[in-house]
Amino acid sequence: GAVVSQHPSRVICKSGTSVKIECRSLDFQATTMFWYRQFPKQSLMLMATSNEGSKATYEQGVEKDKFLINHASLTLSTLTVTSAHPEDSSFYICSARDQVPGQGETQYFGPGTRLLVL
Amino acid sequence: QKEVEQDPGPLSVPEGAIVSLNCTYSNSAFQYFMWYRQYSRKGPELLMYTYSSGNKEDGRFTAQVDKSSKYISLFIRDSQPSDSATYLCAIFSGNTGKLIFGQGTTLQVKP
Repeated sequence: GAVVSQHPSRVICKSGTSVKIECRSLDFQATTMFWYRQFPKQSLMLMATSNEGSKATYEQGVEKDKFLINHASLTLSTLTVTSAHPEDSSFYICSARDQVPGQGETQYFGPGTRLLVL
Repeated sequence: QKEVEQDPGPLSVPEGAIVSLNCTYSNSAFQYFMWYRQYSRKGPELLMYTYSSGNKEDGRFTAQVDKSSKYISLFIRDSQPSDSATYLCAIFSGNTGKLIFGQGTTLQVKP
């Protein structure tokens, strides 16, 4: 299957700092990527849809000024958590949409980034 | 009613057992059906993908879709301790362009 990488895998930062997480599709081009957040023992919660060359679409309740998304190329999307606070501590996972002609589409997920804000 | 319902478990089985994981969905317009496996502190890994009713087999895994009943299943044969993980069903909605996930079922396979 297709491979999606995320960097960093884990980050610890002080309250008030900004953290950037990178998501890359390694062996396919992804015009659309997604950012999810996952709390312990819960399913994934979609935060935003990242489209290459255009503004991200945020889900209801997700602050776009808090979670900045940039999709500068067909293989890279970044999520920046600005002025992070302890309540932003979570597991952030990206995915990339892969479209297969005649077979539809699916999403491949990155390994996730664990953010801890002290 | 949630769009996708999945029993969260936990489900505990002995090694070698056949495991059945299930999800129901409410919208008959849903098109593509997926099963992901997620180990603790890792991203979900795509296991199975199908877009039509019927069975699809890949090694020890069989995905089954019944669109008339809006029911999808994942069967794991000869389960192994390494299969212990959370299994998420996911359905692609063409209307929204998004995946809709079930709650995930936690599976433990005991040696």
